[in-house]
Amino acid sequence: GPKVLQIPSHQIIDMGQMVTLNCDPVSNHLYFYWYKQILGQQMEFLVNFYNGKVMEKSKLFKDQFSVERPDGSYFTLKIQPTALEDSAVYFCASSSGLGGNYAEQFFGPGTRLTVL
Amino acid sequence: SQWGEENLQALSIQEGEDVTMNCSYKTYTTVVHWYRQDSGRGPALIILIRSNEREKRSGRLRATLDTSSQSSSLSITAAQCEDTAVYFCATAANSGTYQRFGTGTKLQVVP
Repeated sequence: GPKVLQIPSHQIIDMGQMVTLNCDPVSNHLYFYWYKQILGQQMEFLVNFYNGKVMEKSKLFKDQFSVERPDGSYFTLKIQPTALEDSAVYFCASSSGLGGNYAEQFFGPGTRLTVL
Repeated sequence: SQWGEENLQALSIQEGEDVTMNCSYKTYTTVVHWYRQDSGRGPALIILIRSNEREKRSGRLRATLDTSSQSSSLSITAAQCEDTAVYFCATAANSGTYQRFGTGTKLQVVP
């Protein structure tokens, strides 16, 4: 079936550094999402993105976070600067329609971010 | 059952047994999604049930939805070792633009 790829699978950085998480969504999808999952806890919505703009973001999407998808390439999540509490697995998802009720979201395998 | 601030729950059953996982949600929804997540992979949708359906079946999976009690269940009949995974329920956020996930149930099926 359709696959979402995420690069890298694991990133270890020092607190205060910048990190960019990359997502290669399903090719014909128009809506993109980032979710955050701390070990043993539920996955939580960060942000969604459509037509070059953020549609909605949660309170977890701090000012240090930003997203973009320049020229249809990777959909990226940038954190600058990072904090210890940013350590988590970040899942990217994409969908052909709005991924709330009926449009199926396809998830990538996640990037495990460890901030030291 | 899963949701809220509860930690991940764990179930261990024997191969061939039936199992039911429950989910309660806080806000009105017109559809409940059930996902499974295998180790090292992202969630994958396995079944969804809409508010006009009380029950939905797909192979050995059966989902129910009770909108009056804001709860849903996922049952697996004759569980197999390959059913070992974490199972999440999810509902649409009020805006309808993303999903809210439950805390998940870690199911282990042993031979």
